[in-house]
Amino acid sequence: GQQVMQIPQYQHVQEGEDFTTYCNSSTTLSNIQWYKQRPGGHPVFLIQLVKSGEVKKQKRLTFQFGEAKKNSSLHITATQTTDVGTYFCAVAGNTGKLIFGQGTTLQVKP
Amino acid sequence: EPEVTQTPSHQVTQMGQEVILRCVPISNHLYFYWYRQILGQKVEFLVSFYNNEISEKSEIFDDQFSVERPDGSNFTLKIRSTKLEDSAMYFCASSEDRGTDTQYFGPGTRLTVL
Repeated sequence: GQQVMQIPQYQHVQEGEDFTTYCNSSTTLSNIQWYKQRPGGHPVFLIQLVKSGEVKKQKRLTFQFGEAKKNSSLHITATQTTDVGTYFCAVAGNTGKLIFGQGTTLQVKP
Repeated sequence: EPEVTQTPSHQVTQMGQEVILRCVPISNHLYFYWYRQILGQKVEFLVSFYNNEISEKSEIFDDQFSVERPDGSNFTLKIRSTKLEDSAMYFCASSEDRGTDTQYFGPGTRLTVL
C-alpha cells in the first residue's frame, strides 16, 4: 500500500531558529495534508496541497508540494514555544482514508 | 465552533473484555472514521464509514472490531475481546465530504488493556 516517509523523527531547536520537516513517497501523490498534534492532543488539520509545485503560507509556516508530487515540506520560520508538537504529513484516499507519515516531533528551547 | 466529542476520555479494561468507544461527530458531517495511535507512534487508519456502511477498513480492523451508528448522532467502535496490543489512543474523525475533504478529529479515548 501507499506509504509516506517523514524525516527527521525529532528536532530540537532554539526559539527563533527555523525548522523544516520533509515527507517523501516513492509514488506520485494525488494530495498531501499536514496536521499538527500538540503533546497529549489530537491531530489538527493545517493545510492541503494538491497541485504540482504548490506553495502555501500560513503566517510563519510555509508548505510546499514537489514538482513531481512525490515529496512535500513544512517550514517554520523563527520558531516559538507555541510551535511545540508533532507534525504529520498524510495522504487522503478516495474513501477519506488518511495514511500518515511517522511524524516529526519539534521541541523548542526558550 | 462545532467539534467532535469522544467518551470516555480514558478506559481501562481487562484483557478479553468488550469495550465500546463512543463518538459524536460534527452534526452536518456524513463521513466518519476511526484511527488509533499507539503511544509515540504514528496515527493509523482503522475504518471509514458512510451511509451506514463501512467504506474501507484496514488490516488492523479484524473480526474483533465493529462500528455502528446506532442513532442520528453517535458513532461507536466496539472491540469484542480486547488484547494487550489494543492499548492505544483511539481517535474518531468526521468530514462533510469524502476523499480529500478536511477531517476533524476528536480528543481521543485512551484505552488501556491490562
